[in-house]
Amino acid sequence: DTEVTQTPKHLVMGMTNKKSLKCEQHMGHRAMYWYKQKAKKPPELMFVYSYEKLSINESVPSRFSPECPNSSLLNLHLHALQPEDSALYLCASSLRGQGDNQPQHFGDGTRLSIL
Amino acid sequence: QKEVEQNSGPLSVPEGAIASLNCTYSDRGSQSFFWYRQYSGKSPELIMSIYSNGDKEDGRFTAQLNKASQYVSLLIRDSQPSDSATYLCAVYNYGQNFVFGPGTRLSVLP
Repeated sequence: DTEVTQTPKHLVMGMTNKKSLKCEQHMGHRAMYWYKQKAKKPPELMFVYSYEKLSINESVPSRFSPECPNSSLLNLHLHALQPEDSALYLCASSLRGQGDNQPQHFGDGTRLSIL
Repeated sequence: QKEVEQNSGPLSVPEGAIASLNCTYSDRGSQSFFWYRQYSGKSPELIMSIYSNGDKEDGRFTAQLNKASQYVSLLIRDSQPSDSATYLCAVYNYGQNFVFGPGTRLSVLP
């Protein structure tokens, strides 16, 4: 088990649904990340929160909406997704964020399927 | 465009052999280098971090870094079937983000 916890592990939703992915870490890390990973591809960065502020949004469509309620929690709100959004969504954390050369630690991911 | 390149594989080695995984990067200012192992359907798991030129050993794993050649490698000694996975190289430069390579798929044959 990893120290970054993601829920749910699996999610199936229709294109009109609204759902949220959750991520939690208790390592005292101040940077948290959302990645999207398609099969046989490396993780693709979506969002970075550093000290609870959104520092990078890699031109992600607005149907993905991140939220960082506090330094331990990270949410990804989903609305009106498309079938091509089906993927493994990974949350990661690191000690500080930009300017931080420490490794990122990944959660187990949420397998998302859009019908 | 900062790039990290790896041979996609699959790299097949017999059980007990040394597996050698290679990674090159384009950003000469890169400072930190990481190897992750990812089993099919699972999340990436950190294996090694390396920050300075030379070798760093941890159990059966050795990471090698040559900044002049912009090259980082991972050696796995006494390879086991349980080492069969995709190995991702990640490179970090100050103020930037991790850049992941495409990964090398390793298959250790019993």
